[in-house]
Amino acid sequence: GQQLNQSPQSMFIQEGEDVSMNCTSSSIFNTWLWYKQDPGEGPVLLIALYKAGELTSNGRLTAQFGITRKDSFLNISASIPSDVGIYFCAGSIIQGAQKLVFGQGTRLTINP
Amino acid sequence: DGGITQSPKYLFRKEGQNVTLSCEQNLNHDAMYWYRQDPGQGLRLIYYSQIVNDFQKGDIAEGYSVSREKKESFPLTVTSAQKNPTAFYLCASTSSGPSRLPLHFGNGTRLTVT
Repeated sequence: GQQLNQSPQSMFIQEGEDVSMNCTSSSIFNTWLWYKQDPGEGPVLLIALYKAGELTSNGRLTAQFGITRKDSFLNISASIPSDVGIYFCAGSIIQGAQKLVFGQGTRLTINP
Repeated sequence: DGGITQSPKYLFRKEGQNVTLSCEQNLNHDAMYWYRQDPGQGLRLIYYSQIVNDFQKGDIAEGYSVSREKKESFPLTVTSAQKNPTAFYLCASTSSGPSRLPLHFGNGTRLTVT
């Protein structure tokens, strides 16, 4: 089946630092999604990417759909305490979510 | 406000009992999904439904059952046949637009079976 490798698995940073995480796939995708999950809550959509090469920002967050369609990255600039959580990538080759593949998550911890 | 409501937030059951998790959405979405989340793993699809009165098995459907009698509701039953039911369960939905993504999630139900 499709494999999606998300890295790093965890990050420990100082407040104010920039953060970068990425996902790579063994297959090509037509859609990349980035979610953030707080403890005990459901994932919340951060950014959706639908075209190879697409670069999209949402406040301090920026995500890109890799040109090979097999990877995507998420950057967070000037991290703040509320950025703490688990970040998931997800990719899909088809319309609909039934074939959406999720990464294992990147756990972000911020030292004040 | 539109959204997906899962209840209860926490559920405790004895081994051998069936238990039903509720999921209701008022987003007017056609498609609904159930995922299971275990620590350190990506979300895994249990069942999904693209239209009322129809549903399909996902990757890990064994030991689970669902129904979709109303557009707004997609309850999940964890049966006694599920060998390792303790997990965090997430319900989600999507619209029927051109891409039918992204997925919108509820806040989850944590099920503990002892």
